[in-house]
Amino acid sequence: AQSVAQPEDQVNVAEGNPLTVKCTYSVSGNPYLFWYVQYPNRGLQFLLKYITGDNLVKGSYGFEAEFNKSQTSFHLKKPSALVSDSALYFCAVRDWSSNSGYALNFGKGTSLLVTP
Amino acid sequence: KAGVTQTPRYLIKTRGQQVTLSCSPISGHRSVSWYQQTPGQGLQFLFEYFSETQRNKGNFPGRFSGRQFSNSRSEMNVSTLELGDSALYLCASSLGAGIYEQYFGPGTRLTVT
Repeated sequence: AQSVAQPEDQVNVAEGNPLTVKCTYSVSGNPYLFWYVQYPNRGLQFLLKYITGDNLVKGSYGFEAEFNKSQTSFHLKKPSALVSDSALYFCAVRDWSSNSGYALNFGKGTSLLVTP
Repeated sequence: KAGVTQTPRYLIKTRGQQVTLSCSPISGHRSVSWYQQTPGQGLQFLFEYFSETQRNKGNFPGRFSGRQFSNSRSEMNVSTLELGDSALYLCASSLGAGIYEQYFGPGTRLTVT
């Protein structure tokens, strides 16, 4: 079973509006959760992570994410979107499987489009 | 600090050939992971090395192999290439496994014809 899910293939938001990119996870034990962003023809860039502690995690470029244990979610948020935020966003979770061992599993990605 | 570097950036091979991709991690990082990215399958974990030892391996056939050197540089090899191996291969380095974030290189775009 997929250990991390991003239910939206694409999110559209107008510049200046708040944005949310959704992520849910399914792991045994305590989750280690990450968000990455990928711009066209580039590798992934680390945005933020949740390991333990405060449920609201702040990261790079004004992004933040809220860890919700009861809903097993780790949604990425930004109060005011910029056109330059348009990119592909990946949620990831460290998970254990008998096949892969202790690996970082990525969601399918969500394409964010911010329009002027 | 210099980021993760991958060579070559682009590669075109024919079916049946083999290929070797190289990755130099961020200085001080001892863990290197490899991923395959395709439009259909997304990002899939290949393997992870730490201090020259393979720690984890994804669900890929034995044609995919890798190694890590004492300076933490890593190579991955794909033998007997298939058309389906066409993908962006990403290398990532980190201080260690578990709680540490990974830093990715720009990737090697492999096209198999």
